[in-house]
Amino acid sequence: AQRVTQPEKLLSVFKGAPVELKCNYSYSGSPELFWYVQYSRQRLQLLLRHISRESIKGFTADLNKGETSFHLKKPFAQEEDSAMYYCALKGNKLVFGAGTILRVKS
Amino acid sequence: ETGVTQSPTHLIKTRGQQVTLRCSSQSGHNTVSWYQQALGQGPQFIFQYYREEENGRGNFPPRFSGLQFPNYSSELNVNALELDDSALYLCASSWGGLLVDTEAFFGQGTRLTVV
Repeated sequence: AQRVTQPEKLLSVFKGAPVELKCNYSYSGSPELFWYVQYSRQRLQLLLRHISRESIKGFTADLNKGETSFHLKKPFAQEEDSAMYYCALKGNKLVFGAGTILRVKS
Repeated sequence: ETGVTQSPTHLIKTRGQQVTLRCSSQSGHNTVSWYQQALGQGPQFIFQYYREEENGRGNFPPRFSGLQFPNYSSELNVNALELDDSALYLCASSWGGLLVDTEAFFGQGTRLTVV
C-alpha cells in the first residue's frame, strides 16, 4: 500500500526563520516523491521532485529511504512562501498527503 | 499552449442524481487523472486515463466512471450521488501515463455540493 503522512496541519514561522515541512511515506517499491504547492486562489502546481535534486524557490528536499522521509526545507522563509504544501508519492498511482499550511509572519 | 480547464466551476446536485464533470487537458498531453479533495484533506486519486483507456484506479466505487476522448479531454461521471461526494474534483493532465515521470498540471477544480 502507498501512504503519505504529513504530521503538521499548520506550520507558522517568522520571516527569515528556517522552515521544515515533514513528510513520511510508506511504499514497498522504489518511491518517486514530489512536493506540490497551492498558493492562495491558485491551482495546485509541482514545486519539486526528488529525482531532479534541484532547488526551487530556495526549497530543497532529500529522500531518506532509511527513515522513509522526504522533508521539505528552506533556510530563510519569505512571506510569499505562505501556501498549502502537499507531499506526494508515485507508485502505481499518485498519492497525496493531507497537506501542511505554511504561514510566514512578518 | 493552453492549460488544463475544468467545467463547471461550481455545481449543486441532489442526492441520488447523476453528474458529469469535464476536463480539457493541456496541449500535447495524453494522460488525464481525476482526484477528489474533501475539505481539509489532500487530493485522493480516483482514476487515470491514458490514450483513451483507464490505466489506474483508486479506491472508489464503480459509480465513479470516466471517459477520455480522442482529443484527450475527459469526463468524470458519478451516479447515485451521496452527500459524502461533496468535494472539490481536480483534473490533472500529463504525458505518458503512470509509468513515466512527467509533471502533472492541475485544473482549477469543480466544486460539487450534494444536498
